[in-house]
Amino acid sequence: GAGVSQTPSNKVTEKGKYVELRCDPISGHTALYWYRQSLGQGPEFLIYFQGTGAADDSGLPNDRFFAVRPEGSVSTLKIQRTERGDSAVYLCASSPNRLTNEQFFGPGTRLTVL
Amino acid sequence: GENVEQHPSTLSVQEGDSAVIKCTYSDSASNYFPWYKQELGKRPQLIIDIRSNVGEKKDQRIAVTLNKTAKHFSLHITETQPEDSAVYFCAASLNSGNTPLVFGKGTRLSVIA
Repeated sequence: GAGVSQTPSNKVTEKGKYVELRCDPISGHTALYWYRQSLGQGPEFLIYFQGTGAADDSGLPNDRFFAVRPEGSVSTLKIQRTERGDSAVYLCASSPNRLTNEQFFGPGTRLTVL
Repeated sequence: GENVEQHPSTLSVQEGDSAVIKCTYSDSASNYFPWYKQELGKRPQLIIDIRSNVGEKKDQRIAVTLNKTAKHFSLHITETQPEDSAVYFCAASLNSGNTPLVFGKGTRLSVIA
């Protein structure tokens, strides 16, 4: 079946601009996670949703970052007033239910802030 | 919070030899330990995981071991092949409900033909 998909695959923007990154989880998966991966590092947790609500947003670095999942499926990560330090690969993962923590990742969006 | 350390950061082996990657974690409440393989420019792929109710799990050429007392777990790849070359990440989390994974920094494995 279809895996997690993310769009766009690459995004180049200028410092100070606003960006939106989209994640389509595996159909039926209730949990959705956003991670950020810098070069040479492991993914770092940003936020996770159980259904429509953000169950844990403790990884968001500051209030420029926000995410939504209005219908419990697709999620959008929004970054305001982008900074060069926001450049990274943003990964989305989904998990089928509360009984397992198996997480399946999308291909990521490579964000470059010039 | 949880902290995961992973060693070595790079590993080169001859084709056919075994490779071992080790991780330690800090939170004794963690009980789910997955391993991901990430090829250059690709998504992390779950290759094997272990839960704290078992000490070892094997899937063909890949095995994981877990020592809860010492808070460390390891990935073993036998009969390595060039296509095993990638970056491998270990992670830890609670398995109750859905919780974020805490990842190690990764090990770049090169299998030399």
